[in-house]
Amino acid sequence: QVQLQESGPRLVKPSGTLSLICAVSGGSISSSNWWSWFRQSPGKGLEWIGEIYHSGHTNYNPSLQNRVTMSVDKSKNQLSLSLNSVTAADTAVYYCSRDHVAGLRLRGYYWGQGALVTVSS
Amino acid sequence: DIVMTQSPLSLPVTPGEPASISCRASQSLLHNNGYNSLNWYLQKPGQSPQLLIYLGSTRAPGVPDRFSGSGSGTDFTLKINRVEAEDVGVYYCMQGLQTPLTFGGGTRVEIK
Repeated sequence: QVQLQESGPRLVKPSGTLSLICAVSGGSISSSNWWSWFRQSPGKGLEWIGEIYHSGHTNYNPSLQNRVTMSVDKSKNQLSLSLNSVTAADTAVYYCSRDHVAGLRLRGYYWGQGALVTVSS
Repeated sequence: DIVMTQSPLSLPVTPGEPASISCRASQSLLHNNGYNSLNWYLQKPGQSPQLLIYLGSTRAPGVPDRFSGSGSGTDFTLKINRVEAEDVGVYYCMQGLQTPLTFGGGTRVEIK
């Protein structure tokens, strides 16, 4: 069973860059699956940030695409998320997720526990 | 973007009684493979969303059979046959047909 664990600085200053890592265990980052990042602002609903394939191909949410970068590190079996020019509105729990392929691509199948990142001076 | 609309916003339930949540998409979620790209999740307090149903009606591994999903195209329903205390939390639908993936606003299920 694949397990995902988010980590990174939990406090980021306004106008700074939010950086998170998602460590993957129980599976390879190079498997035929897409990896996604989601976020959830306190007390609010869920938002898809974007997705990445192990080849490095990405799809980003147009609402964030000018500030977000995703990458994979095959040697460490992990993926990363970077969001620049952050404001208080970017305060949220950030989740990484993996799709599952069973003949069909099943999006949002596995989820990490999430990491709360607060943007504050 | 596909807009997902859930109802009701809040659902007080009595243990042992059934419950039903509706999710409507602004456009059809029927893929050309014949499957609906619609997931249901339960988010318990302090936890990440857990997948209950995918492809509109297939239970994820380990999900009790009191949960069922139905619907096609733009209208979907999640039903809980007999609610148990452990079913409290916020339920979300999510469309996976096209990016950006989008979610319904959530339905909070609480015990009366």
